[in-house]
Amino acid sequence: SQKIEQNSEALNIQEGKTATLTCNYTNYSPAYLQWYRQDPGRGPVFLLLIRENEKEKRKERLKVTFDTTLKQSLFHITASQPADSATYLCALDPSKNNAGNMLTFGGGTRLMVKP
Amino acid sequence: EPEVTQTPSHQVTQMGQEVILRCVPISNHLYFYWYRQILGQKVEFLVSFYNNEISEKSEIFDDQFSVERPDGSNFTLKIRSTKLEDSAMYFCASSKDTGELFFGEGSRLTVL
Repeated sequence: SQKIEQNSEALNIQEGKTATLTCNYTNYSPAYLQWYRQDPGRGPVFLLLIRENEKEKRKERLKVTFDTTLKQSLFHITASQPADSATYLCALDPSKNNAGNMLTFGGGTRLMVKP
Repeated sequence: EPEVTQTPSHQVTQMGQEVILRCVPISNHLYFYWYRQILGQKVEFLVSFYNNEISEKSEIFDDQFSVERPDGSNFTLKIRSTKLEDSAMYFCASSKDTGELFFGEGSRLTVL
């Protein structure tokens, strides 16, 4: 069966360090993978999208890698700040068009950045 | 910055009652979605809507659920006869054709 796995344990890091979150998937061949941020009681907020033919994508302090051989994406936040504390979700869509159809979300990893 | 708006923010209803959740997607977006998140669980896809018809739906989206775009701006989710297990946060989202979704802040549904 298809699975998307994110570390369910909270990740605690010190301010200024780099946070690395992992998303592993099985039995998918996604056209692209997305990362979202979710704060408690609020809707997910889009962060980055990476396509199957891209190895890496950057946006300000964020970096995403996508290894379709390992079936894994890594999400990095450099120079982390307490304001980065949130739950980070990865999401897959196996469709080959860009219409963002039936996104399947992982369970998310909660990041806590301590001052 | 344009945003997806949802109403109500919280609705409490009795089991068996009909509920309508409303959403105003971002105005130039073409694709509309409903997702739900049961407390402490994953965000789950319900349905996607394009060109005035359903384009995809999940197993959760059974005959008790329906969606409608009654005018040029609103997008609604109706649950005909609510069950206890329908209690969740329901998120509306919209997108252009780039894949990224813009979510609303959600409507919390509590079924008693």
